[in-house]
Amino acid sequence: RKEVEQDPGPFNVPEGATVAFNCTYSNSASQSFFWYRQDCRKEPKLLMSVYSSGNEDGRFTAQLNRASQYISLLIRDSKLSDSATYLCVVNRYSGGGADGLTFGKGTHLIIQP
Amino acid sequence: DAGVIQSPRHEVTEMGQEVTLRCKPISGHNSLFWYRQTMMRGLELLIYFNNNVPIDDSGMPEDRFSAKMPNASFSTLKIQPSEPRDSAVYFCASSFGYQPQHFGDGTRLSIL
Repeated sequence: RKEVEQDPGPFNVPEGATVAFNCTYSNSASQSFFWYRQDCRKEPKLLMSVYSSGNEDGRFTAQLNRASQYISLLIRDSKLSDSATYLCVVNRYSGGGADGLTFGKGTHLIIQP
Repeated sequence: DAGVIQSPRHEVTEMGQEVTLRCKPISGHNSLFWYRQTMMRGLELLIYFNNNVPIDDSGMPEDRFSAKMPNASFSTLKIQPSEPRDSAVYFCASSFGYQPQHFGDGTRLSIL
């Protein structure tokens, strides 16, 4: 089983729609979870951290299910500028950002006008 | 504020040549990470340093790869000799404590 698994997509979604991604992770001892965004030929950038209680940042909502070892990202009222690859990220060891991160291969999102 | 600075941005060289990638982390950050990204394998952690000390190099592909961090503001990743399968985008990232990592623009490496 891969350490972090995501549906690669692409997800083709009309502008204004709501879209959701999930990812699963294999290391039950992982403590830190993130969603990163990567635009074509650019570096990954932190979108948001994921907390156990779930957290929201504007149109973006992230949730963590430790029992099932999956993480979700919900994007509401999607914009053309949301088109990107979304990377599910888990720290390699129990701990925080000082440890190396394990990245999923990403889910490619295309918002269509 | 200056982010993570990597050089060169692009490198094209022939197989067998030595390649050196450079990284300057964000000032004040105490952890530095080297990643490699390919279409087939995605983003992979190669090695990381805490306070200039290598902590985990289990992701380094083989002995042809080496990394150093002589001080808090500079790190190198060296490939010698280079092979075509080393072609990838190499990212450097830095962080402070348990805060999230920030990535540089990457070095696009092509080995012919």
